[in-house]
Order: sequence, then structure tokens, then C-alpha cells
Amino acid sequence: ETGVTQTPRHLVMGMTNKKSLKCEQHLGHNAMYWYKQSAKKPLELMFVYSLEERVENNSVPSRFSPECPNSSHLFLHLHTLQPEDSALYLCASSQGGGAGQTDTQYFGPGTRLTVL
Amino acid sequence: QKEVEQDPGPLSVPEGAIVSLNCTYSNSAFQYFMWYRQYSRKGPELLMYTYSSGNKEDGRFTAQVDKSSKYISLFIRDSQPSDSATYLCAMSGPGNMLTFGGGTRLMVKP
Repeated sequence: ETGVTQTPRHLVMGMTNKKSLKCEQHLGHNAMYWYKQSAKKPLELMFVYSLEERVENNSVPSRFSPECPNSSHLFLHLHTLQPEDSALYLCASSQGGGAGQTDTQYFGPGTRLTVL
Repeated sequence: QKEVEQDPGPLSVPEGAIVSLNCTYSNSAFQYFMWYRQYSRKGPELLMYTYSSGNKEDGRFTAQVDKSSKYISLFIRDSQPSDSATYLCAMSGPGNMLTFGGGTRLMVKP
């Protein structure tokens, strides 16, 4: 496997279910991200982890719970979601640039989530 | 006002046409500018990366940044049906998170 992988690719869940999305990066990067992409809306940054520590939480509801056990893996735990949470959830990773350097992000294929 | 504005399209062109995709932004601190291409049912892939103002060319693709006008462009020469995708601009200041545009959907017809 190369790059950034995500599983599952598709997920259908009821509002009372609990599920988890998994992301794995094979690029040796230090930072990982969760984004939400809804139809006709810009990418929404949800969470950022750098060296396994959460550095940003963009006012995301508590029904989304991230976990970063190591620099290669990132999870998004889902519980009691709402139909409006249906979207494409994208994981990305980046090198974790120093001062003055931007952080080019590399994306996985996404998980298409449908909440019934 | 959104920080980054991008016309959602769709933009439909015949094969072989020159395509111009654009974004405007309001944050003068942005210095790093990127273009991502996203095919249907796939994640975005980095296409071009530029720092500050000027042009950068890579094959059929040219990225242009005009910081004085807060305007960036992506030109695609000799467009192909395989270029049909959504193109996302993204930008940031130093050490900051990327801010994305909403994406422009491009359709290149044979």
C-alpha cells in the first residue's frame, strides 16, 4: 500500500449506530487531518493531529471523536449521527513543516458516509 | 465574505480548448497556493504548488498568482476528456492550515 488509505470506502449507518473510520498513511508524515466534504460546499477541516497530539478541533460536534494512536494511523469514531452528517470524509497527511513552510497535504480516497 | 471564492461551474469546453480556472481571496497573509484535482468518488490530488507571485508551468498546466489582485489561476492547455474533474484551489499563510475554495467542476467533451 502506498500513500494514504481509508477504510471503509462506503458506510451506511443508522442514527443509533456506532462506527469508526480508519485512515493509514504510508508516507512517513507527522501530521494527519480529518475533513468533511458535503455537496457544493468547500472542504471543512474537522481535526488536526501533529505528532499524535491534537492541535486543532474546528468546533466539531462531540458525536465525532478522533483518535490518533501513532503517526501512521488516524480514526474517526462516530456515534448518534444525524442525517446531515452524510458526506464524504477525507483523511489527509502532511510532513509537518517548520516555520515558514506550508504543509502540502496528501489525501486518501475518502469514506462515503450515509446516515439513515 | 468567504476567504476564498471559486466559481462552482460546471465549465464545459471542447477537447483541445484552453481552460482557465480562477480563485479570488481576501486574506493578504496567504503566501502558498495550490491546485488540487478531484475525480468523482476520489480524494483530491495535488496538481500544482506555487509560492508567492508569478507563474509555474508543469506540462500542460500553468499556475499563476497575482498577489496584488489576490487572484490565482490555473490554465490547462490542449484539454483532454481525462481532465474532466473538480479543481480545488487551496492557500495558506506560513505555518497555517490550508483554506480551500469550493471547487470548479470541469467537463471536457470529446
